[in-house]
Amino acid sequence: DVKVTQSSRYLVKRTGEKVFLECVQDMDHENMFWYRQDPGLGLRLIYFSYDVKMKEKGDIPEGYSVSREKKERFSLILESASTNQTSMYLCASSPTRGQNIQYFGAGTRLSVL
Amino acid sequence: KQEVTQIPAALSVPEGENLVLNCSFTDSAIYNLQWFRQDPGKGLTSLLLIQSSQREQTSGRLNASLDKSSGRSTLYIAASQPGDSATYLCAVVGFQKLVFGTGTRLLVSP
Repeated sequence: DVKVTQSSRYLVKRTGEKVFLECVQDMDHENMFWYRQDPGLGLRLIYFSYDVKMKEKGDIPEGYSVSREKKERFSLILESASTNQTSMYLCASSPTRGQNIQYFGAGTRLSVL
Repeated sequence: KQEVTQIPAALSVPEGENLVLNCSFTDSAIYNLQWFRQDPGKGLTSLLLIQSSQREQTSGRLNASLDKSSGRSTLYIAASQPGDSATYLCAVVGFQKLVFGTGTRLLVSP
């Protein structure tokens, strides 16, 4: 079974802090994704990556950056957390470029106070 | 810009009923469509993937159909059970990117 692991289930941070959300997949997938999920807005794509050291902006990249130094790990970075970044963050991976099933982690619920 | 709508937003049924969840999308140029299940506070579990060339996919009590020309997909759940209670999300797949609907929250009562 594919396993996508997000390092924290719940996280509480203060405004202005630098926040790292980590995601690791164990199936050698090429593609990795970060989404945020908000009530009434559904899931929205923040960033994705096709390969190591590659990244592409999604629909709502503002206020976020990402890092992919190793194939299995994709990190989402909030340089200076703000209260409007309080959300559920979901990481996903898929095997190769193209139209593949995405496998999701359990999510990280981030609260910024 | 692709927009995905799911109706109804919430549905409550007694155990044993057959039910249909609806998903509509505005741009028919899709690669495939995926249905997910999400339990409260959890991540997403993929249920079914329908390729754009297919019209339906089945897995156990679940059957998903796709009509690209009309921009619609349905998820049919047969003989619903309390364990089916969850939020069901559809996602339309362009190249690499998924666009999600906001989901249908299903409650199946014993």
